[in-house]
Parts: sequence; C-alpha cells; structure tokens
Amino acid sequence: EAGVTQFPSHSVIEKGQTVTLRCDPISGHDNLYWYRRVMGKEIKFLLHFVKESKQDESGMPNNRFLAERTGGTYSTLKVQPAELEDSGVYFCASSPKLGYGYTFGSGTRLTVV
Amino acid sequence: RKEVEQDPGPFNVPEGATVAFNCTYSNSASQSFFWYRQDCRKEPKLLMSVYSSGNEDGRFTAQLNRASQYISLLIRDSKLSDSATYLCVVLNTGGFKTIFGAGTRLFVKA
Repeated sequence: EAGVTQFPSHSVIEKGQTVTLRCDPISGHDNLYWYRRVMGKEIKFLLHFVKESKQDESGMPNNRFLAERTGGTYSTLKVQPAELEDSGVYFCASSPKLGYGYTFGSGTRLTVV
Repeated sequence: RKEVEQDPGPFNVPEGATVAFNCTYSNSASQSFFWYRQDCRKEPKLLMSVYSSGNEDGRFTAQLNRASQYISLLIRDSKLSDSATYLCVVLNTGGFKTIFGAGTRLFVKA
C-alpha cells in the first residue's frame, strides 16, 4: 500500500512569494489533515478534510493560507504571500475513519527567506 | 496551561532498561488517544492507540486513566532503536481536532 505522499520535500522561497504544497493521501482515506511544526514548537493542527469538504479549519493561521481538496483525492495547501514566520515543516496525514490513528507523509520543509 | 503536556526530556537510559512516559490532557471530553514515535527529521509514525482497558504491543504498554486525565507509555527492555521522540496525541470531540504534545526525547545507550 502506498503511503501518504507529499511534494515538494523542501521549498525555499522569498518573503512575499507564493508556494503550493501537495498531499496525496492513502487511497480510500476520506480523512485528510494538514499540520505544521515550527522550530522548537509542537505539531499544530491546521485543518481537516472529509472527502472534499473542510470539516475543521480552526487551526489555519490566517487568510494567507488556502487549502483545497478537489474531488476528495489529493489536497493542496497554498501560502500567499509567504511570510518569514510561515517557515516550518508541513505534514499531511490521512486516516480511513474518524478517531483512527493517522498515517503521516514525510512532510514539506518550507523555508521563507 | 497546554492542552496536552508531556514529561520534559530527555530521558537517557541504558539498553535493557524500563522507561515510562506520562502525558496529561486538559479536555475531559477528549475521545481518542495515541502514542506516536518521531525520529529525527522524519514524520511521526503511529506507535499505538491507547484504550481505556490498557493495551500492550510487545515491549510497549499503553494505559489511559480518564478520571485523572493522563496517558502513559511503558517501554520494557529498551533497545538502541527505541531512541526517538515520543509524542502523545489527543483527539477532541467536535471537530476531532488533534492536539499534539511537545514530545519526550528518549536516548537509549549501549
């Protein structure tokens, strides 16, 4: 079974630019989650999709972040315009049902300079 | 106060030792509990779910005490390969928002 795939693995962009992160969950997993870990802090929840619908986006930092999951398959997380404090590792995870443990992708390390 | 708090680390133990991690959570309505393991610069990986009755998987035992709102993880006969950061994860009701603890670092030495 293929795992959760994230792309790119690393991204270095300048402040003010736009970056789009992609996550391909495990096939058949309706639940898709985005998380972020900034340096020295714990992993923080960003949002949760059930199929193509946003179930909970209470963790999104501000309106510079936009997540989509068209067709209920892969998801994208766009940051526009990027700020220095957006630097961190962005993890995607998926699960087959609510309340189950998640499978994480290997993350995208974003550096904003 | 953080919603999920873990023992501050790091824990330095010799091979073969037994080590226990504790985690407390503040939301009494929390519904599901997990322990994840994260190796340096890698993604978290599910170690085990934590059930009210307690559960064991080989050398690992997880327990949940809802009354006291804490979760524990016991590792017996530590191996060098157990060295990692152990994350306590709590799912709350409502939006099933996931709360991660800051993690406890374990170093197992020969």
